[in-house]
Amino acid sequence: DAMVIQNPRYQVTQFGKPVTLSCSQTLNHNVMYWYQQKSSQAPKLLFHYYDKDFNNEADTPDNFQSRRPNTSFCFLDIRSPGLGDAAMYLCATSRDWGSSHYEQYFGPGTRLTVT
Amino acid sequence: DQQVKQNSPSLSVQEGRISILNCDYTNSMFDYFLWYKKYPAEGPTFLISISSIKDKNEDGRFTVFLNKSAKHLSLHIVPSQPGDSAVYFCAASRDTGTASKLTFGTGTRLQVTL
Repeated sequence: DAMVIQNPRYQVTQFGKPVTLSCSQTLNHNVMYWYQQKSSQAPKLLFHYYDKDFNNEADTPDNFQSRRPNTSFCFLDIRSPGLGDAAMYLCATSRDWGSSHYEQYFGPGTRLTVT
Repeated sequence: DQQVKQNSPSLSVQEGRISILNCDYTNSMFDYFLWYKKYPAEGPTFLISISSIKDKNEDGRFTVFLNKSAKHLSLHIVPSQPGDSAVYFCAASRDTGTASKLTFGTGTRLQVTL
């Protein structure tokens, strides 16, 4: 089955210690997104890639970076995690054309704990 | 500034009855609206959508209604089934030409009881 995979599902890191979350997809979609979702809040878009073009949201902290080495993989790097960065991180993909490009396909998420 | 609002955090409905989930938005630039369903420990899954040029879209037991003048949309589930118990997110999209950036509501937890 074509899907969006996120590893690990649960990640614990220490305050200030860099952490990387990964996402891979078998859908061959050109667009990949990263969302942050805190408890009882709406998922919030951090940034997206259209192919290799990186698009940052204006209010995404500089502490958050991303890499997309190829179509299938995308990484979220948190350079110096703070306690406020504890959240569920969701990766999603979509096509870049056609009426269905509005639909995003989500992975199961990585729950990040900062101690 | 929350541009997409789901004012009911939870809803309980009896099996077989209609479930109505509501969503309001403020940004008139949104051109597409979607509903996602989320089970615990899983990512959101796409359920149904509607373009801003339509006022209704139906898919089996699920119907989405859009009232542009009121900036309001609703999801109707008829009849409701226990497997529909999940968190439902309303999302609105602004098309950038190549990507579709979604703004989500905070979700409504639906519980379908026997």
